[in-house]
Amino acid sequence: DGGITQSPKYLFRKEGQNVTLSCEQNLNHDAMYWYRQDPGQGLRLIYYSQIVNDFQKGDIAEGYSVSREKKESFPLTVTSAQKNPTAFYLCASSKPGQGAFFGQGTRLTVV
Amino acid sequence: GQQLNQSPQSMFIQEGEDVSMNCTSSSIFNTWLWYKQEPGEGPVLLIALYKAGELTSNGRLTAQFGITRKDSFLNISASIPSDVGIYFCAGQRAGGTSYGKLTFGQGTILTVHP
Repeated sequence: DGGITQSPKYLFRKEGQNVTLSCEQNLNHDAMYWYRQDPGQGLRLIYYSQIVNDFQKGDIAEGYSVSREKKESFPLTVTSAQKNPTAFYLCASSKPGQGAFFGQGTRLTVV
Repeated sequence: GQQLNQSPQSMFIQEGEDVSMNCTSSSIFNTWLWYKQEPGEGPVLLIALYKAGELTSNGRLTAQFGITRKDSFLNISASIPSDVGIYFCAGQRAGGTSYGKLTFGQGTILTVHP
């Protein structure tokens, strides 16, 4: 079945460590996005990519990095520079001009 | 970054009642989207609107794209307990460097009492 898959569902990170969240889609969508959601809050855009090998910063890109080497994959790295990384991270993909479809999310906790 | 103004923030209703929520923006959008999110899950797309004035239904859900392109509403008729969740609106622009980027409202938390 076509869809968008995030892994892992739960992730624990020690302070000072980098960690990478996976996002893969087999929908043949050009655009992919990463959002952060904090408890009781809406979604805030971290990074987005409209095409392979290109990506743009969203509203809260500091402390995060991404790559888009393949159309299907858009991994997000949460670096040690991100001071408050505990959150629910959502990946999405879309075709131009169409609604975005989301993965199941990864809940990251700093321990 | 810009956020959409979504209201109400929360609603507590009885099963069978109708529900209405809306989003407004100071900027024009080319697409309006409505999502539902359940705890611990990603948002699920309910309705997508692509033209100003468009009225679209999906079962008991009806959404409209405002004529000014700066607002949208979602109605749920005859609510049932499984309608519980957080509903988000999202606007999307086309063209330029903002192509494809979504801006979300803060969400409406819906609770339905049996």
